[in-house]
Amino acid sequence: QQQVKQSPQSLIVQKGGISIINCAYENTAFDYFPWYQQFPGKGPALLIAIRPDVSEKKEGRFTISFNKSAKQFSLHIMDSQPGDSATYFCAASGSGGSNYKLTFGKGTLLTVNP
Amino acid sequence: NAGVMQNPRHLVRRRGQEARLRCSPMKGHSHVYWYRQLPEEGLKFMVYLQKENIIDESGMPKERFSAEFPKEGPSILRIQQVVRGDSAAYFCASSPSRDQPQHFGDGTRLSIL
Repeated sequence: QQQVKQSPQSLIVQKGGISIINCAYENTAFDYFPWYQQFPGKGPALLIAIRPDVSEKKEGRFTISFNKSAKQFSLHIMDSQPGDSATYFCAASGSGGSNYKLTFGKGTLLTVNP
Repeated sequence: NAGVMQNPRHLVRRRGQEARLRCSPMKGHSHVYWYRQLPEEGLKFMVYLQKENIIDESGMPKERFSAEFPKEGPSILRIQQVVRGDSAAYFCASSPSRDQPQHFGDGTRLSIL
C-alpha cells in the first residue's frame, strides 16, 4: 500500500525553467509534509516543509503548494539551475504518537539542462 | 558542526554473514531513526530509538534484524545471516526530539554477494 504517490518519476527542465513535482496522499492523519533533496551518494537533505494550516510556503526559489481537500501537495522550483539536478522526495508524517514516522514517495529524478 | 555520521559507507557481505551498520547522531540529538532505500524506491521506515530504548520497530523485519542505541556510543543496526534481498542503502536520521525535523546521514550501501 503506497500511502504517498509521487509524480513524475523523472523530469527534464531547461535552465531558468520551472520544475513541478506532485505528490498525493491517502492518510488524512498526515499533518506534516516535507520535501527532501538527494544527490548521488548522499543522504536526503530537508529542503522545505509545510503543515496543513497554510496553502503555500515559499523559501527562496522553492515553493510548496498544498491542497488539503484534494490531499495533494507539490514542489515548485523557480528559475531551475543545473545545480538543482538531484532526486527529490516528498514525504508525510502524522500527528500524535506517530509523528516521527516519515512515509516517502518514490522520488523524482530532476535533470536541469544548461 | 558534524552532521549524522554513518559507517561504513559501503559494506560487502556474503550470504549468511552478519552486517553491522553504525550511526552517530548529531550532537544534542537523542532520537535516532533507521530507514532502508531499495533501488528506485523511496525510503522506508524501519525503527525509531531513543537512548537505550526501542520506541517503534514496526518497520523492521521480525527475523534477522535488530537495532540498539546504547547509553554510550553509536546506534547499531544489525542484520544476521544476510540474504541478497538485504542489498540496499540504509540511512540513519536523528533529531533533538520526536516532533522536530530529522537530519539524515549519507547512508551505508550494503551489497550481498
